Amino acid sequence: QEKVQQSPESLIVPEGAMVSLNCSFSDSASQSIWWYQQHPGKGPKALISIFSNGNKKEGRLTVYLNRASLHVSLHIKDSQPSDSAVYLCAVRGRGSALGRLHFGAGTQLIVIP
Amino acid sequence: DTTVKQNPRYKLARVGKPVNLICSQTMNHDTMYWYQKKPNQAPKLLLFYYDKILNREADTFEKFQSSRPNNSFCSLYIGSAGLEYSAMYLCASSGTDSGNTLYFGEGSRLIVV
Repeated sequence: QEKVQQSPESLIVPEGAMVSLNCSFSDSASQSIWWYQQHPGKGPKALISIFSNGNKKEGRLTVYLNRASLHVSLHIKDSQPSDSAVYLCAVRGRGSALGRLHFGAGTQLIVIP
Repeated sequence: DTTVKQNPRYKLARVGKPVNLICSQTMNHDTMYWYQKKPNQAPKLLLFYYDKILNREADTFEKFQSSRPNNSFCSLYIGSAGLEYSAMYLCASSGTDSGNTLYFGEGSRLIVV
């Protein structure tokens, strides 16, 4: 079964800082990697996904995938207090049916105004 | 409308009593999932329905039941709650038209005493 590890467990940054979140997974043939954001009292919400080696940019978000090192990272530029949330990395494993995802335990991000 | 609704939001149950959690979605998604989330742990997939076909994870096979009477509704049933069932239960749905993005509800918090 796919194993997903996230670091750091928590992160506190001042408003405007660049945030870097890390995720490692166990199978280089994993189909796709997703980042979800979860605010308190809410369900996780999909932010960005990546399928191919390399990077993908959407607005203030950039995700980097390196299958050889089994590592993916999420970078948030110009962080805002509204970015304060738990960030979950999720991997769709090789041969996994449909949208079945394996999640990490998450990184708690706090952005201080 | 990308809303997944869960009821009840909070449930207090006695040890040994049954628990039934309900989820609904109006996006005509073909797949609905149930995840269990405990503090500081990754969301754990319990089971999912693809159309009318139920798939249960091997390690939770006998602990949870589910039904999907129509495309919009899905329930999670615990026949005899134990203390270890205390957790947040997250329902999600996905469809081919959503690129297999999972849309989550806000969760049902179950406390077993």
